[in-house]
Amino acid sequence: ELKVEQNPLFLSMQEGKNYTIYCNYSTTSDRLYWYRQDPGKSLESLFVLLSNGAVKQEGRLMASLDTKARLSTLHITAAVHDLSATYFCAVDVNRDDKIIFGKGTRLHILP
Amino acid sequence: GAVVSQHPSWVICKSGTSVKIECRSLDFQATTMFWYRQFPKQSLMLMATSNEGSKATYEQGVEKDKFLINHASLTLSTLTVTSAHPEDSSFYICSADDGAEAFFGQGTRLTVV
Repeated sequence: ELKVEQNPLFLSMQEGKNYTIYCNYSTTSDRLYWYRQDPGKSLESLFVLLSNGAVKQEGRLMASLDTKARLSTLHITAAVHDLSATYFCAVDVNRDDKIIFGKGTRLHILP
Repeated sequence: GAVVSQHPSWVICKSGTSVKIECRSLDFQATTMFWYRQFPKQSLMLMATSNEGSKATYEQGVEKDKFLINHASLTLSTLTVTSAHPEDSSFYICSADDGAEAFFGQGTRLTVV
């Protein structure tokens, strides 16, 4: 059974600081996703990572994937208040498209 | 990217009644769609896999007679919450995969009073 573990689950940080959210998963997978969710809203897709060593960047967010370690990271550079949200990593189960989510990281950035 | 549309966005119903939620893939066909449930401050939990033209596959602990899923076409899956109770109040989200990645609907907030 695929398990997805995310940490930290809650993060409060100052604007301008850097931080990393970690996502470990228990079995091989073809795709790893990072999503953002604002309160009361659905999911906003941030990144889809497909292969070992993949690195993608969008603005102050950068995601990477190490399939050998079964680890993905979401790095936040020089955080700003607008990045406050809950971030989920999710992993698909061997291309049958079923996606299993981590518990999410509630990110609170203090102005 | 591809679009998955969910309707309604929110619904309030009386305890004991049934509620239907629709999930449509607007610009691609999906033989498989997925239904998730999210309680406040929690993650998304997969409820079931909706298979076009066949029975849905339910995750352990999800009552198939309570959460009826119909996937009658390649672009539409419906979830019916039967005999709803207050504990069924939640945020329900569907997803579909276009072959490259998964896309999620806007979600339906169900409140049972």
